[in-house]
Amino acid sequence: GAGVSQSPRYKVAKRGQDVALRCDPISGHVSLFWYQQALGQGPEFLTYFQNEAQLDKSGLPSDRFFAERPEGSVSTLKIQRTQQEDSAVYLCASSPGVAGGNEQFFGPGTRLTVL
Amino acid sequence: TQLLEQSPQFLSIQEGENLTVYCNSSSVFSSLQWYRQEPGEGPVLLVTVVTGGEVKKLKRLTFQFGDARKDSSLHITAAQPGDTGLYLCAGADNFNKFYFGSGTKLNVKP
Repeated sequence: GAGVSQSPRYKVAKRGQDVALRCDPISGHVSLFWYQQALGQGPEFLTYFQNEAQLDKSGLPSDRFFAERPEGSVSTLKIQRTQQEDSAVYLCASSPGVAGGNEQFFGPGTRLTVL
Repeated sequence: TQLLEQSPQFLSIQEGENLTVYCNSSSVFSSLQWYRQEPGEGPVLLVTVVTGGEVKKLKRLTFQFGDARKDSSLHITAAQPGDTGLYLCAGADNFNKFYFGSGTKLNVKP
């Protein structure tokens, strides 16, 4: 497909379960971002990759959150021992360049509900 | 605490009315972007402004970047029901990190 895809679109987890969220960016895009969007709020930055290098992970809320992009393409956001406060939409975005202000292309998001 | 404050948070208007949405910060950004997001979808870029004082027009939408590159506004002329959505501003720092505002939820009634 031409756009950013994310899977699954919806995920329900019991508190304490581990989850893995996948992002397929636009082919050839160098930059990849993960955001967390709570209901009624704007997206909040989680982490940023330039190719396979994780250059900024300052937004990850705790050490239960881990992201990787081993081959500089597909990325996975893993949340261990999920908590109710982790319930949110997780958005992935990719960008062709590395300069600030490049257009970000967003996927549809994964809505995570932790019971 | 959001680095970018948007106002108003909610706006419900009649078709044909004009409106302005504001995005303010105490921080300076290298660029600022406006996005529109519809339910169940990711945000879609509307415009990027880079230069202080810059004004960009996109059909009925006018975007302005403040002289000091700390704030921005989005003005919509003759709003239509198709303009309904969540409008988000996002400021970029020099390290390609983006800070989003909390959003303005616009509803345009026919």
